[in-house]
Amino acid sequence: AQSVSQHNHHVILSEAASLELGCNYSYGGTVNLFWYVQYPGQHLQLLLKYFSGDPLVKGIKGFEAEFIKSKVSFNLRKPPVQWSDTAEYFCAVRSGNTGKLIFGQGTTLQVKP
Amino acid sequence: EAGVTQFPSHSVIEKGQTVTLRCDPISGHDNLYWYRRVMGKEIKFLLHFVKESKQDESGMPNNRFLAERTGGTYSTLKVQPAELEDSGVYFCASSQDLSNTEAFFGQGTRLTVV
Repeated sequence: AQSVSQHNHHVILSEAASLELGCNYSYGGTVNLFWYVQYPGQHLQLLLKYFSGDPLVKGIKGFEAEFIKSKVSFNLRKPPVQWSDTAEYFCAVRSGNTGKLIFGQGTTLQVKP
Repeated sequence: EAGVTQFPSHSVIEKGQTVTLRCDPISGHDNLYWYRRVMGKEIKFLLHFVKESKQDESGMPNNRFLAERTGGTYSTLKVQPAELEDSGVYFCASSQDLSNTEAFFGQGTRLTVV
C-alpha cells in the first residue's frame, strides 16, 4: 500500500535558521509529489509540486524541494525561515493514474522571532 | 475566481444525530474529493467524484457515511448516525484533471461529536 512518512512531527527554529523537512514515500510506480501548507486559521494551500523533469522544484515564498528517486524522498527546504513560516506542513503523493492524495502525518513548524 | 467553499466551518452535534456537510468546488472542476483528519492523525482520503459519479469510495469508513454530488456541482457528505470517533476536520478538494494538476482545498469543516 502507498504510504508517506514525515520524520519530523514538531520542529522549532529561530528566524534565519535553515529548514529541511523530510518526506519519504512508498510507491513503485509514477508519482506526483506535493507539499501543502496550512497557516493558522487558513485552508490547505499548495507550496510546490513535482510531476516530472527537473527534480529540484521551487515553490512559493522561497520554498524548494528535491525529488531523489533512489531515496524515494521529497524533502522540503527553505533557507532562511521567517516567523511567518509558522504553520503545519504536509507532504503528499498521488499515483499517476488516480486523483487521490496520500498524506504524511504533517509537521508543525514553529519559528521563534 | 472563488475557491473551494465548505459549509459549515464548525459543527457540534450529539452522538446519534445526523450532520450534513457541504462542499462547493471551483467552477468547472469535474473532480471532487473528500478527506478527513482525525486529531493527531494524517489526512485520509474518503472518496472521489468525477462529475456526479463516484470514482473511488475506498476510503469511506462505513455505511453511516453517504456522499452525493447531484448534477456534478456541489457535494454533500452526510453522517447518520454520528459516533464519537467521527469527530475531526473534513476537507473537500477539487481539481480540473486527474494528473499533472493540483487539487485546491477548502477550509475544512470541524466536526465535534459529543
